[in-house]
Amino acid sequence: EPEVTQTPSHQVTQMGQEVILRCVPISNHLYFYWYRQILGQKVEFLVSFYNNEISEKSEIFDDQFSVERPDGSNFTLKIRSTKLEDSAMYFCASRVQRDRDEQYFGPGTRLTVT
Amino acid sequence: DAKTTQPPSMDCAEGRAANLPCNHSTISGNEYVYWYRQIHSQGPQYIIHGLKNNETNEMASLIITEDRKSSTLILPHATLRDTAVYYCIVKRGSNYKLTFGKGTLLTVNP
Repeated sequence: EPEVTQTPSHQVTQMGQEVILRCVPISNHLYFYWYRQILGQKVEFLVSFYNNEISEKSEIFDDQFSVERPDGSNFTLKIRSTKLEDSAMYFCASRVQRDRDEQYFGPGTRLTVT
Repeated sequence: DAKTTQPPSMDCAEGRAANLPCNHSTISGNEYVYWYRQIHSQGPQYIIHGLKNNETNEMASLIITEDRKSSTLILPHATLRDTAVYYCIVKRGSNYKLTFGKGTLLTVNP
């Protein structure tokens, strides 16, 4: 069964460094998402992406964050200058088409900022 | 999107049916009820969704009351692997994002 994959599974970085989290959505899916979950807290929406542009973003998704689909398979989340509070699990999700609303999530990347 | 209320935790014996309730009294006519679950630290997993009618798939059944103000997710024969946080989410189909609450921690006991 097709699935969303994410790399790396765990990323440790120092405060102020840039990180890129990578996702490979399911191949025929058209809508892509990033969510995050700080330890012990709710899963929070960050951004949705369709047709090579951001369709919606949350207040969390400030100028330090960016997303890109550099080729036909990868979907990346970049954090330019990481802060301690960016430590969280980051989940990528994808959805096939507009009238099929199920989102399929990847296993997540645990980001630890020291 | 309408607010939902779920009990924080529930227990169920292995092999028995797990019935997870969700209240969504402010749901509007074009909002769907979605259920996802999250097994410890993994990515959320889609289970089922519905608008008005009851729905069933290979994972679960979804029962929506006639007034649509509440719903119940039924796992017919719970296994230990069904231990997870279950999220009831109400949203319009046109909305892109999922808004997760705290959900219900279902613990399936041997």
